[in-house]
Amino acid sequence: DTEVTQTPKHLVMGMTNKKSLKCEQHMGHRAMYWYKQKAKKPPELMFVYSYEKLSINESVPSRFSPECPNSSLLNLHLHALQPEDSALYLCASSQDFNRKFEKLFFGSGTQLSVL
Amino acid sequence: DAKTTQPNSMESNEEEPVHLPCNHSTISGTDYIHWYRQLPSQGPEYVIHGLTSNVNNRMASLAIAEDRKSSTLILHRATLRDAAVYYCILRDDQDTDKLIFGTGTRLQVFP
Repeated sequence: DTEVTQTPKHLVMGMTNKKSLKCEQHMGHRAMYWYKQKAKKPPELMFVYSYEKLSINESVPSRFSPECPNSSLLNLHLHALQPEDSALYLCASSQDFNRKFEKLFFGSGTQLSVL
Repeated sequence: DAKTTQPNSMESNEEEPVHLPCNHSTISGTDYIHWYRQLPSQGPEYVIHGLTSNVNNRMASLAIAEDRKSSTLILHRATLRDAAVYYCILRDDQDTDKLIFGTGTRLQVFP
């Protein structure tokens, strides 16, 4: 199983809502990532977890709150988002972290619309 | 401070070879060159990576210049399914833990 599964595939939320994005992998990978991708732009790194600990936060606003409850699961909690946060949110995983030859496996993403 | 430079777009006909160039003139000796592609409505997908020698796998070949300041991703026979944005990425000592995407090359494949 070389899949990274993201749910939901689509999400529409209001600016006062609280929602969560979920990501799951069963490849035994110990590093997991959140990326944000606006239309026609490359993915931008948001967070990196290594061995269930947050290793990198790319100065992401606090209205995005990541959580890694175990090595297979990664969540992104959303609260009080703005319309400009509408984007494709991609999850990825890799065997390990901090190795330049490591390859990342990506999910298909959650398309988020904030109204 | 782009680490790689790629053409914005390229075109190919089906069943023809495609050579996707990437310039990385500031590459250092321990930087790995990675290629990912993103098909429409999908997340990025790993294609290939290399350090100094040319590399082949079932998806593509990677040709690395002798001075390592440029590389070329080679699709030997393009299919319609190869239409995607192709990203050339350097993983270096400064950002070892990060995969940072540049703007990529959008490849169109015509029947």
